[in-house]
Amino acid sequence: KAGVTQTPRYLIKTRGQQVTLSCSPISGHRSVSWYQQTPGQGLQFLFEYFSETQRNKGNFPGRFSGRQFSNSRSEMNVSTLELGDSALYLCASSFRGQGYSDTQYFGPGTRLTVL
Amino acid sequence: AQSVSQHNHHVILSEAASLELGCNYSYGGTVNLFWYVQYPGQHLQLLLKYFSGDPLVKGIKGFEAEFIKSKFSFNLRKPSVQWSDTAEYFCAVNNQAGTALIFGKGTTLSVSS
Repeated sequence: KAGVTQTPRYLIKTRGQQVTLSCSPISGHRSVSWYQQTPGQGLQFLFEYFSETQRNKGNFPGRFSGRQFSNSRSEMNVSTLELGDSALYLCASSFRGQGYSDTQYFGPGTRLTVL
Repeated sequence: AQSVSQHNHHVILSEAASLELGCNYSYGGTVNLFWYVQYPGQHLQLLLKYFSGDPLVKGIKGFEAEFIKSKFSFNLRKPSVQWSDTAEYFCAVNNQAGTALIFGKGTTLSVSS
């Protein structure tokens, strides 16, 4: 099976712009979670989607949003970018997600640099 | 508050040395525990996991971890490290009530040949 794929792999944006990142989960996986990885804060949970519904949300401002499509692919959007949004954004997929002991498999990430 | 603590920020070992990386968690409910590894230039990969049953779990590449419930710990071990084990190691926890993984800050392992 192909792994989790994320596009684009690298992005450079300027403050105030918005950005959309894409994630394709492993075939058959219905849960997609997003994480932000920075040197200072480490890995932090953003949100999780299952069957096109956001089921869980981390402690991030409303500028961070996401959605999931009927084929389980997911996008996350960051509006009004700030310098502090520079990070590696990781997508993880799992088969069933919440309510089950399940394993999340991670993609390679999108490296976002905000200038 | 839910948290995961990894005691060592950076560990430096010579090849063939034994490894133990500490991980303690503060998390309510029945926990699932994970160790992920991030090799240089590669994405996060699952090393091993614990859901239930035998508290000693074996993972890939000769790694193992022991869940000690009374100590809220899930330490990672390997009897003899190799240069190729140079990577960053992350301990993570969640429970069946939610999917959000809480990660430790990570431990960078450097192995010299």
